Amino acid sequence: DAGITQSPRHKVTETGTPVTLRCHQTENHRYMYWYRQDPGHGLRLIHYSYGVKDTDKGEVSDGYSVSRSKTEDFLLTLESATSSQTSVYFCATSVDSRTEAFFGQGTRLTVV
Amino acid sequence: GIQVEQSPPDLILQEGANSTLRCNFSDSVNNLQWFHQNPWGQLINLFYIPSGTKQNGRLSATTVATERYSLLYISSSQTTDSGVYFCADLKALNRDDKIIFGKGTRLHILP
Repeated sequence: DAGITQSPRHKVTETGTPVTLRCHQTENHRYMYWYRQDPGHGLRLIHYSYGVKDTDKGEVSDGYSVSRSKTEDFLLTLESATSSQTSVYFCATSVDSRTEAFFGQGTRLTVV
Repeated sequence: GIQVEQSPPDLILQEGANSTLRCNFSDSVNNLQWFHQNPWGQLINLFYIPSGTKQNGRLSATTVATERYSLLYISSSQTTDSGVYFCADLKALNRDDKIIFGKGTRLHILP
C-alpha cells in the first residue's frame, strides 16, 4: 500500500470553527484526492489535486478548500464547520488520473 | 451523469459459502477497482482490473469492459471477509468526469 497518513484520525469540533485535515504521502504520487463518506451516499469526491498548487473541485466542494504546497501534503480546510460536515473523510493518491488509487485510514470528524 | 450499480446491496452467508458481487456501469469502464471496507473502516485495495480476469487467493475478479460490468468472486467465505465491497471507476479528471463509486455491497459472513 502507498504510505498515506491522515491526521488527525478523530476530531470533535464546534460549529463555526475552522478545521484543517492533513494528508501526507510518501509515494511521490502526482494525484491526491479528498473524499467524504456518509451513510446512503457512499464515497463522494470533495476536491482533488493533480500537482503542486494545482487543484480542482469535486462533486461536493461547497464549504471546503484545499491546498497543496508540496507533493507529499494535501490539506483540506473547513472554513467554518457545520453539522452537515460531520462525516468520515478519506484521502487517496494515485500516480495519475488513470491508475490505481490508494486510500488513507480516514478521519472521523464530528461537528457539534 | 454516469451511474454505477452494485448488486446485491446486502448479502448474508454462512462461512464456507461462495458469492458473486456485481458492478454495472451506465458508461464505458476505464480503470475499474474493487475495494473492501472492513468493519474498522479501512479501505483495502482488492483488484485494479480495467479488463480481463485476476485472481488473488480466494478472491477473483473479471471485468468485461465492452459490456460495462465487473464481477467479484469470493470463494470459501471467512468471517474476516465481512464488510462492504465497493467498485469504482477512475476516469480522467476534468470538470465533467470524476472517480465514480458504487454504493457498495454489504457482506456479512456468519460463523
